Amino acid sequence: RKEVEQDPGPFNVPEGATVAFNCTYSNSASQSFFWYRQDCRKEPKLLMSVYSSGNEDGRFTAQLNRASQYISLLIRDSKLSDSATYLCVVLGSNTGKLIFGQGTTLQVKP
Amino acid sequence: DGGITQSPKYLFRKEGQNVTLSCEQNLNHDAMYWYRQDPGQGLRLIYYSQIVNDFQKGDIAEGYSVSREKKESFPLTVTSAQKNPTAFYLCASGVPSGMGETQYFGPGTRLLVL
Repeated sequence: RKEVEQDPGPFNVPEGATVAFNCTYSNSASQSFFWYRQDCRKEPKLLMSVYSSGNEDGRFTAQLNRASQYISLLIRDSKLSDSATYLCVVLGSNTGKLIFGQGTTLQVKP
Repeated sequence: DGGITQSPKYLFRKEGQNVTLSCEQNLNHDAMYWYRQDPGQGLRLIYYSQIVNDFQKGDIAEGYSVSREKKESFPLTVTSAQKNPTAFYLCASGVPSGMGETQYFGPGTRLLVL
């Protein structure tokens, strides 16, 4: 089993739609979680950290469910510019190093 | 401008050749990392360095070497021992944060084998 797993998609949604991605992680001792955004042929950029109580940044909401060991990212009112690959990232509790999921691709259509 | 720079953007390697990828940062971060990204896969850690003159192997270090002689610089050499070097190489630097550490990435180098 991979340490961090994501549905690769692609998710194809119309503009204005709400879309949610889930990510599961295998190590229950993991403490820190992040969502990065990666545009085609570009470097990943930090989108948001995921806090235990959940957090929101504009149209983006991140949630953490420790009991089920999954993280979610909700995007409301999707824009064309949201089209990208979203990487789920977990800080390895044993290694202290980041572990990356393979990414979920989102395509927002007009 | 503060940030991380990588060069070159594209690099072509011939069989049996060693090539070196540059990574420089002026963010004053102690930690630096090298990752490799293949299509449809997550980033995999090659080497990392927490402090000058010290570095550790990551998950896929075979066929690669690094040095950390200066805080700002963390070059990666892809040696001829790396049999499948074609990939997107990403350098990152990290800073301690409330979440443990936050990493920031350079623009990457695409390595292609001729």
